[in-house]
Amino acid sequence: AQTVTQSQPEMSVQEAETVTLSCTYDTSESDYYLFWYKQPPSRQMILVIRQEAYKQQNATENRFSVNFQKAAKSFSLKISDSQLGDAAMYFCAYSGNTPLVFGKGTRLSVIA
Amino acid sequence: KAGVTQTPRYLIKTRGQQVTLSCSPISGHRSVSWYQQTPGQGLQFLFEYFSETQRNKGNFPGRFSGRQFSNSRSEMNVSTLELGDSALYLCASSLRDNTDTQYFGPGTRLTVL
Repeated sequence: AQTVTQSQPEMSVQEAETVTLSCTYDTSESDYYLFWYKQPPSRQMILVIRQEAYKQQNATENRFSVNFQKAAKSFSLKISDSQLGDAAMYFCAYSGNTPLVFGKGTRLSVIA
Repeated sequence: KAGVTQTPRYLIKTRGQQVTLSCSPISGHRSVSWYQQTPGQGLQFLFEYFSETQRNKGNFPGRFSGRQFSNSRSEMNVSTLELGDSALYLCASSLRDNTDTQYFGPGTRLTVL
């Protein structure tokens, strides 16, 4: 079964600084998709970024970018120029031939 | 385009009762998935519906059930509620299948007393 591991339960970052959230996964599938979702205190889960495993190029979305290392099964999220509104739980998720599998999440605090 | 909507947003029930939660997907999305989120277990997949058929099912007891209507709206039902069923229940919709991005609703907070 596929598993997703987020080794950092909590992280903090100064406003305007850069932070990287880690995620590793385990799978025997060759074709799959990886996601980062953000869940602010309002609880609405919001898609941050999506990566197709067959694409070597790392996905980017404005201040958010990923470092996808397929061989290492690593999928980290980099947030640049952090803003107060980035404070939330961040979930890494995997989707292949099975429904979405989520990591336990990383709680990100942004310090003004 | 309107997002995924879930009703009600909050529910308080007592043990032994049953509850029905509703989810309306994004227009054009035919797949609807349900997740249970708790502090201890995190996000766990309940089931997925596509074209009114259950396509995938998570590891939950038979007290948890669902259905999908011809307009892709979905409901989930929990019978004989237990204290451990207290959770945030999230619904997500996608166009077709696991290759498509899932978009989540705001969730229904269920409290079982």
